[in-house]
Parts: sequence; structure tokens; C-alpha cells
Amino acid sequence: NAGVTQTPKFQVLKTGQSMTLQCAQDMNHNSMYWYRQDPGMGLRLIYYSASEGTTDKGEVPNGYNVSRLNKREFSLRLESAAPSQTSVYFCASSVEGVATNEKLFFGSGTQLSVL
Amino acid sequence: DAKTTQPPSMDCAEGRAANLPCNHSTISGNEYVYWYRQIHSQGPQYIIHGLKNNETNEMASLIITEDRKSSTLILPHATLRDTAVYYCIVRGYGGATNKLIFGTGTLLAVQP
Repeated sequence: NAGVTQTPKFQVLKTGQSMTLQCAQDMNHNSMYWYRQDPGMGLRLIYYSASEGTTDKGEVPNGYNVSRLNKREFSLRLESAAPSQTSVYFCASSVEGVATNEKLFFGSGTQLSVL
Repeated sequence: DAKTTQPPSMDCAEGRAANLPCNHSTISGNEYVYWYRQIHSQGPQYIIHGLKNNETNEMASLIITEDRKSSTLILPHATLRDTAVYYCIVRGYGGATNKLIFGTGTLLAVQP
């Protein structure tokens, strides 16, 4: 029962470096999401993918790109990391992404520090 | 989507019921009320959701007022492991833009 798996769990980058956060789910869910959470704040949606082959911007998409590689995997890329992107990143998935069943399953998070 | 208002923090004695309020006075007819919680350092966990009827599951009960402008999440017998931030979210049916917007929630501290 893996659920939603995120890698890596921790990462330290220097300003300007690039990296990709990986996310995979084994629940055959259609929708996947990337959130960030800054200290003392709620989660903010970066990007989401309602279904395989589609991606859309959330509240705070600037500085990020995403790829829905297949139904299982949804990656988040930082092309040129900035200190403002220091945060905890959560990946989530849901069955169909409709309000009648908006039950999201979250991964355990990636703690990213940009120096 | 309607905005929600929650108290920033609450205390509850272990073994007692925890009643977490949420105000969503601008909720519209097709919007659901969702509750999630986040235990320190972990990803949020779904608790319960409802439209207008009261709901109960193995984790909690959700009481929605008749005018739907507010709701209460009830943890019937709080334990120390229920200490977490609880998020009340209102979300309508929105086609391809379905997503949940998390606010800052209520930090529930269960005291021994």
C-alpha cells in the first residue's frame, strides 16, 4: 500500500541550480497535484493534472514546470532555483478530480532548501 | 469558491469531544464542505465531506447548519494523536479546474 510516493525527501540546492521532484501514485487515480507549504501557511496549489495528458496552472505556478509522464507519474521541475522556492512540496492524487469525490491522497513531502 | 473562516487555534482535553467550527457564509448551493487535517510534518489527510446533510464516518462527524453558512467538525473522543492543523475547505463542482484551496486552518492541541 504505497499510495503516493515522493522523491527525494530532502534536497538542498544552490541558487540557479535545477532539479526535478518526482511523484508516483499506485491507486490508478486520474488527477494529480503539486502543492507547496511555507512555514505557518496553508498549502498553495502550484500545478495540477486533471487527467493524463493535461496540466493546468494553480495559484503559484511561476518558476515551475510540470510533466504528467503517464497516469502514475507527475513531476515538478525547478529550472533555476531561487531562495523564494524554499518550501515543503507535497504531491497529491485523487480519483477523478470532481467535487463530489474530492478526496485527495497526499505524499509525505519533499523539504527543499535553496541557498 | 467560497471563503472559509476558522479560529487559528483551539485546545481540547484528551477523551473529550473536540468541536471545530468553520464559517462559510458565502457558500453557494453546489459547493461541498471538506475537512482535512495535517499532523506535523506529514501530508494532509482527508477526514470527511458533505453537502447539506450531516455526515459521520469512522474518524469524525460533520454538522452543517440548515442555511449552510457554517459547519462543525466533531472528533467524539479526542486523543493526543489528533493534535494537528484542521482545514475546512469549500469547493464546488468545477469541471477541469477542480482543486481544493487550503487556508491556514485551526491548530487543535489535545491536552493530556
